[in-house]
Amino acid sequence: GENVEQHPSTLSVQEGDSAVIKCTYSDSASNYFPWYKQELGKRPQLIIDIRSNVGEKKDQRIAVTLNKTAKHFSLHITETQPEDSAVYFCAATPYGGATNKLIFGTGTLLAVQP
Amino acid sequence: GAVVSQHPSWVICKSGTSVKIECRSLDFQATTMFWYRQFPKQSLMLMATSNEGSKATYEQGVEKDKFLINHASLTLSTLTVTSAHPEDSSFYICSAIPSYEQYFGPGTRLTVT
Repeated sequence: GENVEQHPSTLSVQEGDSAVIKCTYSDSASNYFPWYKQELGKRPQLIIDIRSNVGEKKDQRIAVTLNKTAKHFSLHITETQPEDSAVYFCAATPYGGATNKLIFGTGTLLAVQP
Repeated sequence: GAVVSQHPSWVICKSGTSVKIECRSLDFQATTMFWYRQFPKQSLMLMATSNEGSKATYEQGVEKDKFLINHASLTLSTLTVTSAHPEDSSFYICSAIPSYEQYFGPGTRLTVT
């Protein structure tokens, strides 16, 4: 089955700096890769996603890159703000599969220092 | 966007009792829902896939007799933690898919004393 690894587990940056979180996956059949942001005690919220037919996707300050050959994908947050502080999870799934179940990475606690 | 609700948001129960958690898709129909468990400062662990009108599919290591899942309608799935013990204390979150994106419920904090 799919296994998703995520690094780093914690990341502290100064406000205005960039933050990068990296994930690797094991199942070459996976072709949908969402990123979720979870604030303490709240539900995960989708912030950006990418499918395997695309190498990069950007939405304002957030971007995701995918390298299918190396089986890794990354989240990039530019011009970080204190409200970006949260836990971020990457996930992978074989899109179009019967269940669309997500396998999550271990999470990255991002702290943006004002 | 799609809305998924859960009830209750938190529950405290005594060891040995059973607890039922409801997950509802409010503005769409969901033939498939998912149940996750999350320990403090840890990731979401998929417990099972709930299928409307059929048996749930459990992930390896999850006791199906302890975590009973019923998906009786296209908008409701329930998770019953039977004979709960303190080690079952956790944050339980459900999700549903209106198209391909998973939407999560707000979660249920279960504390077993």
